[in-house]
Amino acid sequence: GIQVEQSPPDLILQEGANSTLRCNFSDSVNNLQWFHQNPWGQLINLFYIPSGTKQNGRLSATTVATERYSLLYISSSQTTDSGVYFCAVSAGGTSYGKLTFGQGTILTVHP
Amino acid sequence: DGGITQSPKYLFRKEGQNVTLSCEQNLNHDAMYWYRQDPGQGLRLIYYSQIVNDFQKGDIAEGYSVSREKKESFPLTVTSAQKNPTAFYLCASSPTTWGTNEKLFFGSGTQLSVL
Repeated sequence: GIQVEQSPPDLILQEGANSTLRCNFSDSVNNLQWFHQNPWGQLINLFYIPSGTKQNGRLSATTVATERYSLLYISSSQTTDSGVYFCAVSAGGTSYGKLTFGQGTILTVHP
Repeated sequence: DGGITQSPKYLFRKEGQNVTLSCEQNLNHDAMYWYRQDPGQGLRLIYYSQIVNDFQKGDIAEGYSVSREKKESFPLTVTSAQKNPTAFYLCASSPTTWGTNEKLFFGSGTQLSVL
C-alpha cells in the first residue's frame, strides 16, 4: 500500500515563529488532507488539498502531486497551535475512500 | 448542531468480553470509518462503509466487527479475539467516496482500556 512519511517528527517553537511541516508519499494520490489533533484527542480537518495551494488564516498548504509531497506552513505560531499534525492520503483505485495516515509531527509552541 | 457523536468517552473491557462503541452522525454523510490510534502513532483503518448495508475491511480488521443498518450509525464491536484492544478509537465520516470532495470529519473518540 501507499507509504506516508512526515517530517520532522517533533518541532518546538517560540510563540510568533514560523514553521514548515512536510509530508512525502510513495504513490500518486487523488486525496490528501491535513489534520490537527489537539491535546484532548479531537482531530480537526485543516485542508483538503490533493494538489495546488490553499490558505486559511495563518495556515497554508501546498501539494506538488507530481513530486509526491505536501507542505503545511504555520505562520506566527500561537500556543493553541500545539498538538499533532497528520497528513493523510488516498491513492484511489481499489483503495478509493481509504485514507492512509502518516505518523504525525508533534508541535509544541511555548509562550 | 451537526456532527459526529461517539460514546462512551471511556470504556473498560474485561478479559473475554465483547464491547461495542457507538458512532452516530447527523451530517447526512454516505461514508463512515473506524480508526484505531495507539500512543504516539498515526491512525490505522479498521473498517469503512461507503453505503448502508455494506462495509469493507481496513488494514487491521481482525478482532473487530461492524454493522451499517442505518445511514447515520456505524457501531464497532471489539470482540474477545482482539488480544490488544487498549487504544483510542476514532469514528469519521465523509460526504461521499464517489465524488472529488471527500473531506473527512472526526468524532471526539473513545478510549478503550482492558481491566
